[in-house]
Amino acid sequence: EPEVTQTPSHQVTQMGQEVILRCVPISNHLYFYWYRQILGQKVEFLVSFYNNEISEKSEIFDDQFSVERPDGSNFTLKIRSTKLEDSAMYFCASSDSVERGVWYTDTQYFGPGTRLTVL
Amino acid sequence: AQSVTQPDIHITVSEGASLELRCNYSYGATPYLFWYVQSPGQGLQLLLKYFSGDTLVQGIKGFEAEFKRSQSSFNLRKPSVHWSDAAEYFCAVGAGEYGNKLVFGAGTILRVKS
Repeated sequence: EPEVTQTPSHQVTQMGQEVILRCVPISNHLYFYWYRQILGQKVEFLVSFYNNEISEKSEIFDDQFSVERPDGSNFTLKIRSTKLEDSAMYFCASSDSVERGVWYTDTQYFGPGTRLTVL
Repeated sequence: AQSVTQPDIHITVSEGASLELRCNYSYGATPYLFWYVQSPGQGLQLLLKYFSGDTLVQGIKGFEAEFKRSQSSFNLRKPSVHWSDAAEYFCAVGAGEYGNKLVFGAGTILRVKS
């Protein structure tokens, strides 16, 4: 069964450093997402990406964050200057394109996550 | 704004007993609803989803959920719990302009005692 993969599984970085989290979505999916889960808190939406541009982002996703699909298979999340409060589990997800009324996306499938620790 | 409430933070059941995990949502229109499960160190695995139609939906691993619009609920059930069901369970609603922004509940941690 196809699955979303993420690398690395665990990333440790110093405050102020840049990190890039990588994801390989399911190959025929067209919609891509990043979520994060701070320890002990809810899973939170960060950003959705379609047709090489951001389709929606949360207030968490400020100028320190960026996403990119550098080639036909990878989807990355970059944090330019990490803060202590960026420590969290980051999940990538992907979904297919299905029209349901005004909605166009189907079930989101999640990767195993990258645990980011900022020291 | 859309929101999801899972009132139970922890639930402990005996192996073989039945299970019901509660989920209430706040959403203006017909919601798209999901249950995901997360085992320790693992990602989020989809158990089942409701988009439309039959309000009782079947999922993987013997789980089912019932959408009740009048109660704004989407409770997850299993008739007989196995030790391997011990995990954290998340209810989510599709939100945002295109329904592709998932809003999650806080999760319910299920413990199974033998």
